[in-house]
Amino acid sequence: AQTVTQSQPEMSVQEAETVTLSCTYDTSESDYYLFWYKQPPSRQMILVIRQEAYKQQNATENRFSVNFQKAAKSFSLKISDSQLGDAAMYFCAYRRLMNYGGSQGNLIFGKGTKLSVKP
Amino acid sequence: GAGVSQSPSNKVTEKGKDVELRCDPISGHTALYWYRQRLGQGLEFLIYFQGNSAPDKSGLPSDRFSAERTGESVSTLTIQRTQQEDSAVYLCASSLGVLAVNEQFFGPGTRLTVL
Repeated sequence: AQTVTQSQPEMSVQEAETVTLSCTYDTSESDYYLFWYKQPPSRQMILVIRQEAYKQQNATENRFSVNFQKAAKSFSLKISDSQLGDAAMYFCAYRRLMNYGGSQGNLIFGKGTKLSVKP
Repeated sequence: GAGVSQSPSNKVTEKGKDVELRCDPISGHTALYWYRQRLGQGLEFLIYFQGNSAPDKSGLPSDRFSAERTGESVSTLTIQRTQQEDSAVYLCASSLGVLAVNEQFFGPGTRLTVL
């Protein structure tokens, strides 16, 4: 079974600075998707960034980028120029591909990292 | 708005009572997922619907939990004889299909408190 581990329960960053959130995962599969979701106090899960495992190039979305190390099974999220609105819980998630037997496409989540942004 | 909606937003119930949670997916989304988020935890998969296929109930924690979906529209998650350990936020997500490229859009969740 696949597992996702986020070892930082809480992180803090100064406004305009850069912060990196860590995520490791365990799988025996060679192809899959990885995600970072943001959950503000409103509880709404918002997709931040997605990475396909077969792509070597790290995904980037504006101020958000990932460092995907497939061999190390590591998937960290870097937030540049942090803003007050970035304060939230961040969840790393894994998704199997449908061509693997028994997969229903559900997301497997880590326990999350609470990010605080100081003005 | 055209997003996923859930009702009620909050539900407080007494131990032993039954509760029903509702999810309205985005129109046209064939796949629907229910997740549970306990305090301080990540989301746990509960159940999945895809079109008219039989649902995948592999994540349901006990036979007190059940869910239904009418075609490709509304879904209800029912918890019978609620227990205190059922207290959590229940989140629903929908997507165009089940491929990994199909983004899952989440609703705001229902916070269930069992006294």
